Amino acid sequence: KAGVTQTPRYLIKTRGQQVTLSCSPISGHRSVSWYQQTPGQGLQFLFEYFSETQRNKGNFPGRFSGRQFSNSRSEMNVSTLELGDSALYLCASSLVGGLGREGGPFHEQFFGPGTRLTVL
Amino acid sequence: GIQVEQSPPDLILQEGANSTLRCNFSDSVNNLQWFHQNPWGQLINLFYIPSGTKQNGRLSATTVATERYSLLYISSSQTTDSGVYFCAVRILTGGGNKLTFGTGTQLKVEL
Repeated sequence: KAGVTQTPRYLIKTRGQQVTLSCSPISGHRSVSWYQQTPGQGLQFLFEYFSETQRNKGNFPGRFSGRQFSNSRSEMNVSTLELGDSALYLCASSLVGGLGREGGPFHEQFFGPGTRLTVL
Repeated sequence: GIQVEQSPPDLILQEGANSTLRCNFSDSVNNLQWFHQNPWGQLINLFYIPSGTKQNGRLSATTVATERYSLLYISSSQTTDSGVYFCAVRILTGGGNKLTFGTGTQLKVEL
């Protein structure tokens, strides 16, 4: 079974531009989450989508947005790029989305290789 | 929010040595995962271990959920074990599928 794929793998943009990153989850997985990794802040949760609905959102400005399509593929968009947006963006997929108190192996998350974004 | 602390932050080992990495978390969780991040940034799943003990080759992990900690054991380390090890937790109530990551342990295995 193919893993999580992300495109593009590398991206260079200039301040003020916008960017769209894509994530294709493992076949059959319906939950997609996005994370930002920077040397200063570590790995931080951006948002999670399940059944085309944003279920949870991290503490990021409104410039960061996302969506999920009916085939579970997800995109995230960053508008008006700032230098501080330079980071590794990681996408994760799991079989099911978070549903309150449930836990279990269906929630195990698998990560893609990431998109490395550089903002000049 | 939940706090996740990992120790030690840095570790240098000679090939063949054993090590223990620790993850402490401040709230009840129902998911806990250990990852190895390779030099290219990919997070590799090591264990899904919200409680109990699991082993996979030279690696094993134990989570004591009631005491809010997890341990990752690496035995007979190899240079290919180098990289950053993260633990990540999902809180028991609310939070959806969000994982909160620790700050990681940077491991270097030398010949």
